[in-house]
Amino acid sequence: GDSVTQMEGPVTLSEEAFLTINCTYTATGYPSLFWYVQYPGEGLQLLLKATKADDKGSNKGFEATYRKETTSFHLEKGSVQVSDSAVYFCALTRYGNKLVFGAGTILRVKS
Amino acid sequence: DVKVTQSSRYLVKRTGEKVFLECVQDMDHENMFWYRQDPGLGLRLIYFSYDVKMKEKGDIPEGYSVSREKKERFSLILESASTNQTSMYLCASSTYRLRNEQFFGPGTRLTVL
Repeated sequence: GDSVTQMEGPVTLSEEAFLTINCTYTATGYPSLFWYVQYPGEGLQLLLKATKADDKGSNKGFEATYRKETTSFHLEKGSVQVSDSAVYFCALTRYGNKLVFGAGTILRVKS
Repeated sequence: DVKVTQSSRYLVKRTGEKVFLECVQDMDHENMFWYRQDPGLGLRLIYFSYDVKMKEKGDIPEGYSVSREKKERFSLILESASTNQTSMYLCASSTYRLRNEQFFGPGTRLTVL
């Protein structure tokens, strides 16, 4: 079945450091890919998405490119802030309805 | 803004009790979902519904049931709570009009003693 694998955390960075959180997936066909973020004490929010190969999703300085050849959707940000501390989830859907999530990666940014 | 609300943020119940978790969305979304979130496992789909009175099993439906009598409300029921159902429960809704982006509630942290 479909699955998503994320790098294990926690990831601890200093403010203004470069961030990469790796995400790879297994799915037949052409899934849509998402990054969700969960701030402490809150539900999940959609951060960005890409619906076809080579699409780049971007939001709030975060970017991810849908790479079908490597089945990857790595999340990057050039300069993280303390306010980016959260849990990040990579997810996919093939049928536009059910989402399959990765295990989540905790990001901690220190000032 | 889409709003998804859940009836409780924190809930403590005893083994064997019947537990109701309520979720309400205010944007006329067709689809609603219940997930549980556990450390290291991400979110796992329990049940979902794509219309009133319709329900589909997700990946881990055992020990749970759901009810959707009105479009805006989706209830998760634990018929006889067990300690292994201690978890964070997240509700979400989506609509085909917004390409099925899912909007999440704040979650209910359930502890079963």
